[in-house]
Amino acid sequence: DVKVTQSSRYLVKRTGEKVFLECVQDMDHENMFWYRQDPGLGLRLIYFSYDVKMKEKGDIPEGYSVSREKKERFSLILESASTNQTSMYLCASSSDGDSYEQYFGPGTRLTVT
Amino acid sequence: GEDVEQSLFLSVREGDSSVINCTYTDSSSTYLYWYKQEPGAGLQLLTYIFSNMDMKQDQRLTVLLNKKDKHLSLRIADTQTGDSAIYFCAERFTGGGNKLTFGTGTQLKVEL
Repeated sequence: DVKVTQSSRYLVKRTGEKVFLECVQDMDHENMFWYRQDPGLGLRLIYFSYDVKMKEKGDIPEGYSVSREKKERFSLILESASTNQTSMYLCASSSDGDSYEQYFGPGTRLTVT
Repeated sequence: GEDVEQSLFLSVREGDSSVINCTYTDSSSTYLYWYKQEPGAGLQLLTYIFSNMDMKQDQRLTVLLNKKDKHLSLRIADTQTGDSAIYFCAERFTGGGNKLTFGTGTQLKVEL
């Protein structure tokens, strides 16, 4: 079974803190993605990566950065957390070709106070 | 740009059929997907359809694709309480690389 794990299920941080969200996949997938999920807005793509050390901006990259030093790990960084970054963060991975299906982690519920 | 729309809520009685609808704007979609999200969990792929197909059936699930109207639907037969979840449609369009565009999600509530 494909497994995508995220470092925390719930996280509470203060405004201005630096926040790291970690995602690890065990299927040797080339592509990894970070989304945020907000009620009524669905999933919005923050950043994605199609190879080690490669990254591409998604639809809402402002206030976020990412790091992919190893193929299996993709980190989302909030340099200075703000209250409007309170959200559910979902990580996903996929392989090239086939049906391009994305496999999701369980999500991290981040609250910024 | 591409856009995917869904109604936000659907309520059905147990045993009835549920039909969740989705409209998309990009005519170059290659794959269209249905994902399910149970409370407190990530998304799980239910099924997908390639754009040259009109219909796909998998046990209680039937996917219909109308390319002319850019309309995708998911029918769940004999809906059970365990089907209560948020359902997302998503598309992959030509030139989008490996990105998927997701709809807003439809909250399905199954009542006894």
